[in-house]
Amino acid sequence: DVKVTQSSRYLVKRTGEKVFLECVQDMDHENMFWYRQDPGLGLRLIYFSYDVKMKEKGDIPEGYSVSREKKERFSLILESASTNQTSMYLCASSHRGLNQPQHFGDGTRLSIL
Amino acid sequence: GQQLNQSPQSMFIQEGEDVSMNCTSSSIFNTWLWYKQDPGEGPVLLIALYKAGELTSNGRLTAQFGITRKDSFLNISASIPSDVGIYFCAGRQPPNYGGATNKLIFGTGTLLAVQP
Repeated sequence: DVKVTQSSRYLVKRTGEKVFLECVQDMDHENMFWYRQDPGLGLRLIYFSYDVKMKEKGDIPEGYSVSREKKERFSLILESASTNQTSMYLCASSHRGLNQPQHFGDGTRLSIL
Repeated sequence: GQQLNQSPQSMFIQEGEDVSMNCTSSSIFNTWLWYKQDPGEGPVLLIALYKAGELTSNGRLTAQFGITRKDSFLNISASIPSDVGIYFCAGRQPPNYGGATNKLIFGTGTLLAVQP
């Protein structure tokens, strides 16, 4: 079974803090993704990565950055957290290839006070 | 970014009823995926569709890839209380539509509530 593990299920931080969300997958997937999920808006792609040290912006990258130093790990960074970044964050991974589905972690519910 | 039109937004049904939901797009897709998200969990893949017209079942779930490649539906037969959750469609556009070939576009979700 594919396992995508997010380091925290719940996180509470303060405005202005630098926040790190970690994601690890154990299936040697080339692709990794970070989404945020908000009521009524579905899943929106923040950043994704096709390979180590490679990253590309998704639909809503503003206020976020990412790091992929190792194939199995993809980190999402909130440089200076703001209240509008309170959300559920979901990490996903997949093999390279047109027909490879994405597999998701259980999510991190982040609250910025 | 683009989102898929998913309907209905929510459904409240009695146990045993059949359920149908769908996703539509103004552009074509070469892959359709259906996910279910239980409360407090991440989405789990239910069914993947790769060819126009393809009809695939997974237990009580059946999904179809529309002939026009612009839509897909998911049916759940004889619903049970554990079917409760949010169902998402997701599509992947052909490479010549631009963007990454593994990038998914998601629907806004259908919330399903099943009363025993």
